[in-house]
Amino acid sequence: EAGVTQFPSHSVIEKGQTVTLRCDPISGHDNLYWYRRVMGKEIKFLLHFVKESKQDESGMPNNRFLAERTGGTYSTLKVQPAELEDSGVYFCASGQTYGYTFGSGTRLTVV
Amino acid sequence: GIQVEQSPPDLILQEGANSTLRCNFSDSVNNLQWFHQNPWGQLINLFYIPSGTKQNGRLSATTVATERYSLLYISSSQTTDSGVYFCAVFYNTDKLIFGTGTRLQVFP
Repeated sequence: EAGVTQFPSHSVIEKGQTVTLRCDPISGHDNLYWYRRVMGKEIKFLLHFVKESKQDESGMPNNRFLAERTGGTYSTLKVQPAELEDSGVYFCASGQTYGYTFGSGTRLTVV
Repeated sequence: GIQVEQSPPDLILQEGANSTLRCNFSDSVNNLQWFHQNPWGQLINLFYIPSGTKQNGRLSATTVATERYSLLYISSSQTTDSGVYFCAVFYNTDKLIFGTGTRLQVFP
């Protein structure tokens, strides 16, 4: 079984630019989650999709972040415009019940 | 909301040593997972352990849900064990609340 795939693995962009992160969940998993770890702090929840619907987006920091999940398959997380404080590692996870499988993460560096 | 605290925050070991990492949570939880974030940033699932004890090679974990804590044991540590260890709990919803992490450094 293929795991959760994220790309790019690493992205370096300038402040003010736009970046789009992609997550391909495990096939058949309805639940897809985005988390991030910034500045060496705790890993924080961003949002949760059930199929193509946003179940909970309470963790999204502001309206510069936009997440979509096309047809209930892969998901994208767009940051526009990026700010320095957005630097960190962005994780995607998928699962069917309480067990999660995480992707390898995308390390985003905003300079 | 629920508080998830881990101790110690930092741990330095010589290769071959054993260690115990602790995770305390302030309320009843539906489930608990342990993760290892390696030096490359990847987050690896170690255990999914709502209660009881599980073992996987040199690692084992015990959760005592009634007393609101979980322990992760690392035996005969190796340099590849270095990184940050997180516990995370499911609390009233199906989203994970992560602990503060324990940074482990293992030297040869």
